[in-house]
Amino acid sequence: AQKITQTQPGMFVQEKEAVTLDCTYDTSDQSYGLFWYKQPSSGEMIFLIYQGSYDEQNATEGRYSLNFQKARKSANLVISASQLGDSAMYFCAMRENGNQFYFGTGTSLTVIP
Amino acid sequence: EADIYQTPRYLVIGTGKKITLECSQTMGHDKMYWYQQDPGMELHLIHYSYGVNSTEKGDLSSESTVSRIRTEHFPLTLESARPSHTSQYLCASSEYGSELAGTGELFFGEGSRLTVL
Repeated sequence: AQKITQTQPGMFVQEKEAVTLDCTYDTSDQSYGLFWYKQPSSGEMIFLIYQGSYDEQNATEGRYSLNFQKARKSANLVISASQLGDSAMYFCAMRENGNQFYFGTGTSLTVIP
Repeated sequence: EADIYQTPRYLVIGTGKKITLECSQTMGHDKMYWYQQDPGMELHLIHYSYGVNSTEKGDLSSESTVSRIRTEHFPLTLESARPSHTSQYLCASSEYGSELAGTGELFFGEGSRLTVL
């Protein structure tokens, strides 16, 4: 079974609008971490946001927020006020046991002017 | 600002050549990882290390080998490159991550794009 599932291969959003990128995860551990990374066309991986399994509040970092629904095992990324520079691949990832990281297949986001 | 470096950034070589992709980090992280990624595709873990003299193979079978003689250095070697090895290779490191203590996110290098002709 896939540890991380991203069901949206590609998404489009109008500039200045908000967009939600979906991510569901599968684990039987009580302690785990959830991450989102951005990968522009240049290829580097940029860390965006983190949510720990014990955190009761949704994580936020500037225009990024993580909609964490533990019972549904979902960790969707919300980008508010989209900018042209947000066009990139976005990867959801999970850490189990403090060591092992699992990545999803990614979502390609295109921001339309 | 992450301090993890990969060289070379780009490499074009012929079939059968031996290559080493270098990865160094100055953050003192014990855990280091190599991922293989085709353009626009998911990341596949090929090797990881939890400390000096510790290396393990990842989920994706790979003909490459790694070594971890020093904490800061985690090179990846292909003894005989083939066109099927054409890909991007991403090195990453992290400190110990505990969901009770904080983030412990992966820091990535800029990647090495390998083309084997």
